[in-house]
Amino acid sequence: DQQVKQNSPSLSVQEGRISILNCDYTNSMFDYFLWYKKYPAEGPTFLISISSIKDKNEDGRFTVFLNKSAKHLSLHIVPSQPGDSAVYFCAASALRNAGNMLTFGGGTRLMVKP
Amino acid sequence: ETGVTQSPTHLIKTRGQQVTLRCSSQSGHNTVSWYQQALGQGPQFIFQYYREEENGRGNFPPRFSGLQFPNYSSELNVNALELDDSALYLCASSLFSSSYNEQFFGPGTRLTVL
Repeated sequence: DQQVKQNSPSLSVQEGRISILNCDYTNSMFDYFLWYKKYPAEGPTFLISISSIKDKNEDGRFTVFLNKSAKHLSLHIVPSQPGDSAVYFCAASALRNAGNMLTFGGGTRLMVKP
Repeated sequence: ETGVTQSPTHLIKTRGQQVTLRCSSQSGHNTVSWYQQALGQGPQFIFQYYREEENGRGNFPPRFSGLQFPNYSSELNVNALELDDSALYLCASSLFSSSYNEQFFGPGTRLTVL
């Protein structure tokens, strides 16, 4: 069973516009959520995170929103730039889990067109 | 500060063989996690090592085993390789803590099983 789902495999956005990437989860034990970005031939790099006690976290052009009642989070990128083109993974963690293991979604490929 | 490194970059094996993948953690980190990323999917947690002992395991059979050395580097061993073991294997290092700490990923080892 997929505990973290990213239902959109791909998203295409014009440069300068907003990119919204969505993620749903089913496990109510998750209390920390992260977004990672992955370029080809590189490992995932951390982008932004949010604790379950918050509903929004902002870092420059990136904002993550968490709706716990809906078990939904989203990543907003404003404005989008061509360099943002990559695969984005949503990940979740339950601090009680040994090892702080991350459960990842399947990824969304973002393409930002110049 | 040295990042996470993995070797080899690519590897081709045949069914039934055994393979060893290596990971050097980022300077100052004492915890190593391994993930398997099949094509078109998100990374899946295999296990984590802290203080040279397994500290959490995902849903992987015992033929997936690991080691952590006193310098915090780590090995992932897979015995009796199967075709479905073909994937990108990612190593991530972090500093063990009771609260969540960001995991830093290496570029991965691409394993192909023929």
